[in-house]
Amino acid sequence: QKEVEQNSGPLSVPEGAIASLNCTYSDRGSQSFFWYRQYSGKSPELIMSIYSNGDKEDGRFTAQLNKASQYVSLLIRDSQPSDSATYLCAVHWANNLFFGTGTRLTVIP
Amino acid sequence: GAVVSQHPSWVICKSGTSVKIECRSLDFQATTMFWYRQFPKKSLMLMATSNEGSKATYEQGVEKDKFLINHASLTLSTLTVTSAHPEDSSFYICSAIGQLSSYEQYFGPGTRLTVT
Repeated sequence: QKEVEQNSGPLSVPEGAIASLNCTYSDRGSQSFFWYRQYSGKSPELIMSIYSNGDKEDGRFTAQLNKASQYVSLLIRDSQPSDSATYLCAVHWANNLFFGTGTRLTVIP
Repeated sequence: GAVVSQHPSWVICKSGTSVKIECRSLDFQATTMFWYRQFPKKSLMLMATSNEGSKATYEQGVEKDKFLINHASLTLSTLTVTSAHPEDSSFYICSAIGQLSSYEQYFGPGTRLTVT
């Protein structure tokens, strides 16, 4: 059973703050990890991928991966109201993506 | 790059009728396409995986005779909901992976189906 767990939230942060989203997964063999953003009524949009331990930065987003702890996180710096969405953690295994239930983020102006 | 389209974006149909949803990869060849369903405030649920030219692989609990999937080319997959019922009303989303990356899935904009 492949499990991907996220805190469903909601997570509220003030504008300009750092939002921290966390995800744990059950399969130690997983090698590829993704963060998707989904606005209400829209389909998911890939925002970050990470394959090796450590940090990966892309603009205001930083993904962090710790395979030993089976933990992947997403940091959003200088949060903006437009970042308000549901963030889905996804773990790749055997040509499929296993999604967490998502964390709803609200950035308060 | 990596654009996936779906048509229609929303559809309303009567109970008992069939509805076809198209998924196209516009700027890449999709070796594999996936069909998901999402109910309100719920996470994505994988329905089936389709590879071009072969039969789709359905997830447990998904009726293959009700949800017909055809992946006729490297850029087109279709999902037909046969004899639709109100409980089939949902947001149907396809995704695709290309030949260059076997890991990153790119999603279409989704099709909202309402069965009356």
